Amino acid sequence: NAGVTQTPKFQVLKTGQSMTLQCAQDMNHNSMYWYRQDPGMGLRLIYYSASEGTTDKGEVPNGYNVSRLNKREFSLRLESAAPSQTSVYFCASSGTSTQETQYFGPGTRLLVL
Amino acid sequence: GESVGLHLPTLSVQEGDNSIINCAYSNSASDYFIWYKQESGKGPQFIIDIRSNMDKRQGQRVTVLLNKTVKHLSLQIAATQPGDSAVYFCAASEGYSSASKIIFGSGTRLSIRP
Repeated sequence: NAGVTQTPKFQVLKTGQSMTLQCAQDMNHNSMYWYRQDPGMGLRLIYYSASEGTTDKGEVPNGYNVSRLNKREFSLRLESAAPSQTSVYFCASSGTSTQETQYFGPGTRLLVL
Repeated sequence: GESVGLHLPTLSVQEGDNSIINCAYSNSASDYFIWYKQESGKGPQFIIDIRSNMDKRQGQRVTVLLNKTVKHLSLQIAATQPGDSAVYFCAASEGYSSASKIIFGSGTRLSIRP
């Protein structure tokens, strides 16, 4: 039981490049989330998926897209990376809603030059 | 907009002493609160939660206190150990709907003096 896994662990991009961050959970959770964490700031929600087949915008969705591929997997895509997207990205999952414990992955460190 | 903030960005305590980390929230409709611990290079880890129908909840060496009147919650760690060194986040959410979102504070870094 690996919990929440994320790939890659670290990535360097040039401005304008695209990439997809992958997330998978093996806890049979319905809800999944993508957050970004910047120095000195709390986690900010980018997108979330309440259940398979649904996605909704969070606090900072601009510049990102998501896909809930199936119940296990939730990917985050940067179509045209910008330096402002340099951050640490965390994926999380919870059983049904945000009022159940969220389990976080180890994070992806992204540097956009 | 809604916000969740911690009173101190850093806190240094002597090993063996009790630690108290404070947090304030702005949304009076928030009804679920969580404390997370984040060690360096890792994702946040759930510590303890509390719902608005309670004012105190205890776990193993940790206690969360909620004061809805002043919109304040605190995390108390008893007999602080070196392994407690981490950044601690509080978070608040409103409603049990799967469409609700959670607001995180900016974190307090707890360091332990030997």
